[in-house]
Amino acid sequence: GAGVSQSPRYKVAKRGQDVALRCDPISGHVSLFWYQQALGQGPEFLTYFQNEAQLDKSGLPSDRFFAERPEGSVSTLKIQRTQQEDSAVYLCASSVRGNPYGYTFGSGTRLTVV
Amino acid sequence: QKEVEQNSGPLSVPEGAIASLNCTYSDRGSQSFFWYRQYSGKSPELIMSIYSNGDKEDGRFTAQLNKASQYVSLLIRDSQPSDSATYLCAVIRSGGSNYKLTFGKGTLLTVNP
Repeated sequence: GAGVSQSPRYKVAKRGQDVALRCDPISGHVSLFWYQQALGQGPEFLTYFQNEAQLDKSGLPSDRFFAERPEGSVSTLKIQRTQQEDSAVYLCASSVRGNPYGYTFGSGTRLTVV
Repeated sequence: QKEVEQNSGPLSVPEGAIASLNCTYSDRGSQSFFWYRQYSGKSPELIMSIYSNGDKEDGRFTAQLNKASQYVSLLIRDSQPSDSATYLCAVIRSGGSNYKLTFGKGTLLTVNP
């Protein structure tokens, strides 16, 4: 497609449930980023992939968060045993190179943990 | 002190006026600075980037950077109702992570017809 595609658009999870969020980047984009945006806040960096290699996962808030990009294209962000504080919009971005000048953000997945 | 600080607003201006949005950052070694626009329920969209001291103009938008004061601003001339959105300031900090954006909380701008 022409843009970064994320699914689902909305997800409601019960506390303790596992969730998986998908990101389909722009074709040919080597770099892929995940950000978390809580209500009323700016996005916060979670993790960065270059092709299939996860080069930086320093922003993942806990070991309940796990991201993968096994074939260097689609990426999945998995959250285990969801907590209320995980409620946020999860944004995926991709770029041709590993810098923000060419970032294209997807529409995000709004996760609500109840 | 937060790494990137913005007045959360809301900032309200009449149509046709100049809107002035401000941002300060704490890391003196920060290298690159960006302004994103985010409409409600939508993803951030890059509108300006600036890397050196001074002004950079693009259409109705002007970004201003003062590294000595650790201050970045965005001016929107002839504001339109369609400019109503949250404006996010973002920086790339010093060090090796030149791919990682650090965002402020954003300033909500409302342009009144």
